[in-house]
Amino acid sequence: GAVVSQHPSWVICKSGTSVKIECRSLDFQATTMFWYRQFPKQSLMLMATSNEGSKATYEQGVEKDKFLINHASLTLSTLTVTSAHPEDSSFYICSARWGGSNSPLHFGNGTRLTVT
Amino acid sequence: KQEVTQIPAALSVPEGENLVLNCSFTDSAIYNLQWFRQDPGKGLTSLLLIQSSQREQTSGRLNASLDKSSGRSTLYIAASQPGDSATYLCAGAVDAGNMLTFGGGTRLMVKP
Repeated sequence: GAVVSQHPSWVICKSGTSVKIECRSLDFQATTMFWYRQFPKQSLMLMATSNEGSKATYEQGVEKDKFLINHASLTLSTLTVTSAHPEDSSFYICSARWGGSNSPLHFGNGTRLTVT
Repeated sequence: KQEVTQIPAALSVPEGENLVLNCSFTDSAIYNLQWFRQDPGKGLTSLLLIQSSQREQTSGRLNASLDKSSGRSTLYIAASQPGDSATYLCAGAVDAGNMLTFGGGTRLMVKP
């Protein structure tokens, strides 16, 4: 089945530094990938939609200059948390669709970000 | 704006019991609804996807139904096992773009 790989699975960084998270579709081409954030004991919230070769579409309340998304190829999207702060500590999950619009979304295993 | 609610938030059952997880959504113009499983600290595993034109989908011991008119979906788990312990999330998409709105999840514990 479709596999979405996310790296790293966890990262600890100091406040003020930047962190890059990669999301790869291993056995299919994904024209669209989605980035979600999940705070403890809460459900997932969509942050942005990443389209290959174009700018990402951000959800209301998500700072595009803070969460930089790049989707340079059909198999790779990256999320960079710039100038991270402790309140950015969260679980970040990417997803991609394999097949047409009627196909289910497949998710990566997530990245646990802790900002100290 | 689509809102998705899951009840109960947590559920504990003995092994072997059949159980039903509930999901409700506010916008009946739903494109599809998907059920996921999330293990602690892990990503999501897609369990079942129901298109708006379908009423149910089955996979092994899992059966998901969709009733658009009432704004409800249920996930039925037969003969539950300890390995089924996880958080189950339902999510609805209102268009083909598959931008999902998630419910809060149901944390299931199946006791041996």
